[in-house]
Amino acid sequence: DVKVTQSSRYLVKRTGEKVFLECVQDMDHENMFWYRQDPGLGLRLIYFSYDVKMKEKGDIPEGYSVSREKKERFSLILESASTNQTSMYLCASSRGLAGGPNYFIENEQFFGPGTRLTVL
Amino acid sequence: AQSVTQLGSHVSVSEGALVLLRCNYSSSVPPYLFWYVQYPNQGLQLLLKYTSAATLVKGINGFEAEFKKSETSFHLTKPSAHMSDAAEYFCAVTDPYGGATNKLIFGTGTLLAVQP
Repeated sequence: DVKVTQSSRYLVKRTGEKVFLECVQDMDHENMFWYRQDPGLGLRLIYFSYDVKMKEKGDIPEGYSVSREKKERFSLILESASTNQTSMYLCASSRGLAGGPNYFIENEQFFGPGTRLTVL
Repeated sequence: AQSVTQLGSHVSVSEGALVLLRCNYSSSVPPYLFWYVQYPNQGLQLLLKYTSAATLVKGINGFEAEFKKSETSFHLTKPSAHMSDAAEYFCAVTDPYGGATNKLIFGTGTLLAVQP
């Protein structure tokens, strides 16, 4: 079974703090994603990565950055947390093709349990 | 641009009743479509997916969905609701320009309540 784990289930931080959210998958997936989930808005893509050290902005990248130094790990960074970043953060992974973002893959995304972040 | 609309942010049914959760998509090309379920305090789990094979797709836990191109719909149904079906359900469509990253575009979700 694919397993996607996230470093914390609940996190409370103060405005201005630097926040790291970690995600690890154990199925050798090429693709990894970070979403935020807010009531009434569904899931919105923040960043994704299709290979080590490769990243692309999603729909709402402002205020966030990411790091992927190893294939199994994808980190989301809030450089200076703000109250409007209070949300549920979901990580996901999926199989891709090593050749790069030129092929359409129908594979499902596997999600971690989420991190509920509160910024005070 | 691709989009997906879920009609009804909250749906309540009685135990044993039919479950119908609506999803409509907009796309200029046939998309791939997914239904995910999220139980309280958990991540999302795939229920079923349509990938241009059979238009009637059967998923886990007795759920199924039918792809209707003429109606641009992919509604989720279950003949008889169970208390354990209470959860939030998300419809998602693939971005046909997403390439190997198969980006998903999610609907806003439907919270299903099951009354005893």
